[in-house]
Amino acid sequence: DTEVTQTPKHLVMGMTNKKSLKCEQHMGHRAMYWYKQKAKKPPELMFVYSYEKLSINESVPSRFSPECPNSSLLNLHLHALQPEDSALYLCASSQEKSGGVGETQYFGPGTRLLVL
Amino acid sequence: GQSLEQPSEVTAVEGAIVQINCTYQTSGFYGLSWYQQHDGGAPTFLSYNALDGLEETGRFSSFLSRSDSYGYLLLQELQTKDSASYFCAVRGGGGYQKVTFGIGTKLQVIP
Repeated sequence: DTEVTQTPKHLVMGMTNKKSLKCEQHMGHRAMYWYKQKAKKPPELMFVYSYEKLSINESVPSRFSPECPNSSLLNLHLHALQPEDSALYLCASSQEKSGGVGETQYFGPGTRLLVL
Repeated sequence: GQSLEQPSEVTAVEGAIVQINCTYQTSGFYGLSWYQQHDGGAPTFLSYNALDGLEETGRFSSFLSRSDSYGYLLLQELQTKDSASYFCAVRGGGGYQKVTFGIGTKLQVIP
């Protein structure tokens, strides 16, 4: 099973709402990532978790709050977002080791977020 | 920080060969990856080079020259289904887990 699942597929929220994005993988990967992708732009790294600990935060605003409850799950909690936060949010996972084996990142289908 | 450069668009005909180049600047370089993304889809992994040389996977090959901070993706026997965006991505510049994507090259394969 090389699948990363994300829910929901689409999300519309107001600037005062609180919502969460969920990501799940069962490949035994110990590195999990959140990316943000705007239309016709590359994915931008937001957060990386390694062995359930936050290892990279790319200076993401605090209205985005990641959480890794266990080795299979990754959440992104959203609060007080702005319209410019509308984007495709991608989750990915990989093995936690350097070298070719650990490099492959498996991406989920993404959550398409619209902030009104 | 990191910076990557790749062409924004490439057009080729079915059956042809196309090469997408990527130059990068980063400290603490670990390797260069290539991803394919169809419109409306998620990126899918194509290849990874950590050492100099050529890696071949079916119709796709990837090359890396660490001394030149340069790599390329070679797509052979192009098919219309290869029409997609292709991203090079660098690991490094803040640890192995840090991944930075290039702007992407939109490839159009004409029948």
